[in-house]
Amino acid sequence: SQTIHQWPATLVQPVGSPLSLECTVEGTSNPNLYWYRQAAGRGLQLLFYSVGIGQISSEVPQNLSASRPQDRQFILSSKKLLLSDSGFYLCAWSLKQAYGYTFGSGTRLTVV
Amino acid sequence: DQQVKQNSPSLSVQEGRISILNCDYTNSMFDYFLWYKKYPAEGPTFLISISSIKDKNEDGRFTVFLNKSAKHLSLHIVPSQPGDSAVYFCAGNAGGTSYGKLTFGQGTILTVHP
Repeated sequence: SQTIHQWPATLVQPVGSPLSLECTVEGTSNPNLYWYRQAAGRGLQLLFYSVGIGQISSEVPQNLSASRPQDRQFILSSKKLLLSDSGFYLCAWSLKQAYGYTFGSGTRLTVV
Repeated sequence: DQQVKQNSPSLSVQEGRISILNCDYTNSMFDYFLWYKKYPAEGPTFLISISSIKDKNEDGRFTVFLNKSAKHLSLHIVPSQPGDSAVYFCAGNAGGTSYGKLTFGQGTILTVHP
């Protein structure tokens, strides 16, 4: 069966520090991968999605970037965190041409 | 442009009663809709979905209704249980080149009181 792993679960980082969140999927090949953010009191906002290795689409301009160095690995990064980057970050995967997807357990990021 | 809207931030219901969560959308290209349930500090989990060619889909205590002409969908939970207390998100998918790319609403916090 397919599983998705996301870590760390919580992270407290100072303003201006770098960020690296990692997500891996097991049990499937060539999935679509997604990074979402849920800011306090807000809905789920799509940040990035990827349909293959090295293929990244950004949905909103921001202080973050994403990379997909391997088929089942998706990384969310920042060179310098801002206070506004605080939130709950979710990785998700889907099959090609599937209507819904499966989320990871999320990372609570607090920038102080 | 908020393509999916859940205008009720919260809903409080007594155990055993019906919970009705509403969702409106503006994108006419959406051809599939999903509801996800989220507990604090966890990722959302899939609950129920409906294709745009249907107007109702039922799964146990959960029923989703779709009114395409009004661009409105609703989730009914009958009977409501305290374990249903969570944030509920509706989402639309436009299919085509957007396969798998879901647009979510802001979520509705459901609280079911014993």
